[in-house]
Parts: sequence; C-alpha cells; structure tokens
Amino acid sequence: DGGITQSPKYLFRKEGQNVTLSCEQNLNHDAMYWYRQDPGQGLRLIYYSQIVNDFQKGDIAEGYSVSREKKESFPLTVTSAQKNPTAFYLCASSTPPSHLNEKLFFGSGTQLSVL
Amino acid sequence: KQEVTQIPAALSVPEGENLVLNCSFTDSAIYNLQWFRQDPGKGLTSLLLIQSSQREQTSGRLNASLDKSSGRSTLYIAASQPGDSATYLCAVRPPGNTPLVFGKGTRLSVIA
Repeated sequence: DGGITQSPKYLFRKEGQNVTLSCEQNLNHDAMYWYRQDPGQGLRLIYYSQIVNDFQKGDIAEGYSVSREKKESFPLTVTSAQKNPTAFYLCASSTPPSHLNEKLFFGSGTQLSVL
Repeated sequence: KQEVTQIPAALSVPEGENLVLNCSFTDSAIYNLQWFRQDPGKGLTSLLLIQSSQREQTSGRLNASLDKSSGRSTLYIAASQPGDSATYLCAVRPPGNTPLVFGKGTRLSVIA
C-alpha cells in the first residue's frame, strides 16, 4: 500500500562516524522533507527537495547532507560534523504543491542515538 | 520570520470533556494552516487543513477554526476519549516555496 517508509527505526552512531537514514515514498510526490524533533520540541527543518536533483537547506542544515537522485528516495546523511545528533528524525512528502491544499504525509521516524 | 506558538504545552482532562487547543502565528500571510496528531515514537498524521480563505473545517469530533487577521487557530475536540491522548501540532504554510512552520505542540492526556 502507498506511503512513506523510513529505515531503520533505531540507529546508533559512534563518534566520528557518518550514518545514513533512508526515506522512500511511493505516493508519486514531488516534494520531500527532513525534520528533526528533540524531546518536547517542535519539528525543525533540515533539508527539503521540491524536485529531483534539487534541494534546499532548512533551518538546521549544518552537519547534514542529502541527495535526490530519484523521485522516490531522499536519504539523509548525518555527518561527524553534527556534534549533537541524538534526536527523532522524520521524513515527509507532500501532494503536488497547489499551496492552498498542499498536505504533508509523514513516515514513522528514525530514532538516532550516539554510542 | 513566521513563528508558531501553541498554548498550553500540556493538558490533562477527564474523559467526556470538550476541550480547545490554541495555536497562534505571527504573520497573517499564510496559504493554509494544518493540525496534526503525533503518538509517542510515531510520525505525524494530518487531521485538518484550513485554507487561508476558509474559517473552519470539521472532521468527526474535531473542529478547527482559523482567524487569519488575528493570527489564531483553535482545535476543538468534542466528547474527548482516552484514545485522543497524543501530541497535537499546528503548522502554517507561508507564501512562496517556503515549507511548513510548526509549533511545539500540545501534549493531551484524556483520563478514563
């Protein structure tokens, strides 16, 4: 059935290591997003992509990187430059942006922790 | 820069009560406002979307209103149930290609 799949559900990072979070959608959405959520906090935008082979930085892009080689996939790499990576990461995609009716659909999230 | 505030941060009510969650935003220039529900350790589920030209939207026991000129929205939940316990987040869509801006959410507990 259609939706957004994030994997893995739990991920552990060692100091100095890069890790990649997967996000795949079969909703045929053009736009995809990565958010970070810390306990008791709202969602903060890391990166977003409105079309294949193009992406923009969000509010907290430092220490993260993304690629958008395929419409269905928007992986997020947490690099060693991100000194406080422990958080819940959420991927989302949106319906064709007519702006007024644009709706966001979310994956089930990846919890990243530092060993 | 658009900012979204949700008050209260947490709310506990007995089962059966009607309740209101509040959301305010600083810039009235928005395309739409959305309310989401998040269960612990899960992603967000869209509940209601109100376009900038609309005043309210209803879905079952949920009713969301929008007063764009005053920068406020409310989510009304009728006859609350323990299954309504979750965090409710409000988000606004600014003009142009700017993504949604989220509030920090209200954590709701409905006690049986």
